[in-house]
Amino acid sequence: DTEVTQTPKHLVMGMTNKKSLKCEQHMGHRAMYWYKQKAKKPPELMFVYSYEKLSINESVPSRFSPECPNSSLLNLHLHALQPEDSALYLCASSQVFETRINYEQYFGPGTRLTVT
Amino acid sequence: GQNIDQPTEMTATEGAIVQINCTYQTSGFNGLFWYQQHAGEAPTFLSYNVLDGLEEKGRFSSFLSRSKGYSYLLLKELQMKDSASYLCAVSHTGTASKLTFGTGTRLQVTL
Repeated sequence: DTEVTQTPKHLVMGMTNKKSLKCEQHMGHRAMYWYKQKAKKPPELMFVYSYEKLSINESVPSRFSPECPNSSLLNLHLHALQPEDSALYLCASSQVFETRINYEQYFGPGTRLTVT
Repeated sequence: GQNIDQPTEMTATEGAIVQINCTYQTSGFNGLFWYQQHAGEAPTFLSYNVLDGLEEKGRFSSFLSRSKGYSYLLLKELQMKDSASYLCAVSHTGTASKLTFGTGTRLQVTL
């Protein structure tokens, strides 16, 4: 099974709402990632979890709050978002980076978020 | 800082060969990935280079020159289904699999 699943596929939320994006993988990967992708732009890294601990936060605003409850699950909690946060949010997973050894990331299909 | 550049768009004919270039200026380079992304879908892994030279995988090959900060993806025997965006991504040392993606190249394959 080389699949990363994400729910929901689409989400529309108001600026005062609280919502969560979910990501799941069963490949035994211990590194998980959140990316944001705007239309016709490349994915931009937001967060990296390694062994369920946050290892990289790319200066993401606090209205985005990641959580990794176990090695298979990754959540992104959203609160008080702005219209400019509308984008495709991609989750990915990989084996953990080791010195001199890189592993490809497997991406989920994404959640298309619209903030109104 | 980091700078990863690719041509924005390319067009090629079915059955032909196309080369998509990627140039990068980055600190702590630790390898370069190529991904394919069809419109509205997730990126999928194509290839990885960490040493100089050519890596071949079927119709797809990728080349890296670390000294020149340059890579290319070569697609042979183009098919209509190869119409997609192609993203090069640089991996950085000292961090947990941090990838920085290039600007992406939208390839259109025509009859």
